[in-house]
Amino acid sequence: GQNIDQPTEMTATEGAIVQINCTYQTSGFNGLFWYQQHAGEAPTFLSYNVLDGLEEKGRFSSFLSRSKGYSYLLLKELQMKDSASYLCAQGLHNTNAGKSTFGDGTTLTVKP
Amino acid sequence: GAGVSQSPSNKVTEKGKDVELRCDPISGHTALYWYRQSLGQGLEFLIYFQGNSAPDKSGLPSDRFSAERTGGSVSTLTIQRTQQEDSAVYLCASSPLAGLNEQFFGPGTRLTVL
Repeated sequence: GQNIDQPTEMTATEGAIVQINCTYQTSGFNGLFWYQQHAGEAPTFLSYNVLDGLEEKGRFSSFLSRSKGYSYLLLKELQMKDSASYLCAQGLHNTNAGKSTFGDGTTLTVKP
Repeated sequence: GAGVSQSPSNKVTEKGKDVELRCDPISGHTALYWYRQSLGQGLEFLIYFQGNSAPDKSGLPSDRFSAERTGGSVSTLTIQRTQQEDSAVYLCASSPLAGLNEQFFGPGTRLTVL
């Protein structure tokens, strides 16, 4: 995805913690989304950050630093079912409001 | 229905034929998006509708691609004279408003051009 950078692949062990980083272009920024996409399925919403700081939602947390154009998704107590692609997406302002720009996704593989 | 629906779920066509893909958004959602996703790739933005405003067509890859949204609800994506490189999953999403709202995705249409 244009101007969104995230690692292509990551591997982690069941029960561990993994952090998936995302950097984006700060101009026109209007919120940062994370989506989960299992193989062969549609993306589903995980989290949304518009202010700096950490948003916690169960085993998943998302962090945002607007000044650095940086976000991460933190997954705790990994389970096998967490194996999926994780998409970072930037919401944009005004006339570009519809063009939430998606990254290419990070494929996470959780191993026993 | 409770979510975004798309039809058909799978479409196999021959090169050069036209195809129409349908999307039914969640009732009341004013924003509707079409994306294309090739195997192992991210989402490629195609087109965006917001209420009665003119659609943002800036992501359409060629003039063979077009989309309509009738009555602010159902949308149809049409691909004319299909090419093999058009093979992908076409995803539709809707949201209550653009930008600040999460997008709710349909299951997608898998298009295969032989």
